[in-house]
Amino acid sequence: DAGVTQSPTHLIKTRGQQVTLRCSPKSGHDTVSWYQQALGQGPQFIFQYYEEEERQRGNFPDRFSGHQFPNYSSELNVNALLLGDSALYLCASSSAVSQHATGGTFGSGTRLTVV
Amino acid sequence: AQSVTQLGSHVSVSEGALVLLRCNYSSSVPPYLFWYVQYPNQGLQLLLKYTTGATLVKGINGFEAEFKKSETSFHLTKPSAHMSDAAEYFCAALEANTGFQKLVFGTGTRLLVSP
Repeated sequence: DAGVTQSPTHLIKTRGQQVTLRCSPKSGHDTVSWYQQALGQGPQFIFQYYEEEERQRGNFPDRFSGHQFPNYSSELNVNALLLGDSALYLCASSSAVSQHATGGTFGSGTRLTVV
Repeated sequence: AQSVTQLGSHVSVSEGALVLLRCNYSSSVPPYLFWYVQYPNQGLQLLLKYTTGATLVKGINGFEAEFKKSETSFHLTKPSAHMSDAAEYFCAALEANTGFQKLVFGTGTRLLVSP
C-alpha cells in the first residue's frame, strides 16, 4: 500500500518564477493538507483540500494556490516566487472521517530552493 | 488559537541515558496531541498520539508520552537513548474547528545522541 507520494523531491527556481508541486494521497484518503517547513522551523499549515475544494487556509498570501483532482491528488502552486519561499513543502493526506485519529500521513516533501 | 511550545531547540544526551523532550499546548480544551520524528531530508513519521482515554501513551521505538491536563503538557520520554534516535522531534496539536481540522506544530527539538 503506497503512502503519500510527492514530486518532485527537489527543485530550484529563480525569483519571480512559478512552481507546481504534486501530491498523491495514501490509498483510501480523500483529504489533502499542505504545509510549509522553513529551515529550522516547524511545519506551517498552508491549506486543506476536500472534495476538490479549499476548506481552510492558513496565513499565506494569494500567491499560494492549490487544486484537488477527482482522484484526490493535489497540486500546490506558488506564483511570483520570493527567496523566502525556500522551504520543504509537505503534503499530508487523511480520511475526512478519521483525521483526528491520525493527524494525517505525511509524504517525504519537496525541497524548494529559490535563488 | 491553539499554540504549541517546545522547550529547548536542542537536547543532548548520551547513549543509554533518559530522553525527555518537552511540549506544552495552549488550549483550555485539550486537543488531540501528536509527536512526530523527522530524519534528515525526510518527511514526518508519527511516533505516538493522544486522543482520549489513557493519559500515558506508548509509541514506536520505545517512546512514550504522558498527557497532563493540569500542566497542559505532553512531554515525550524514552528510558534509554540509542544513536538512531538522533533526529528532529515535533509536537503537534490537532485544532478542530467546525469539522475542519489542521495540525499546529511546535518549532521542534533536535535530539543529539553521543556515544
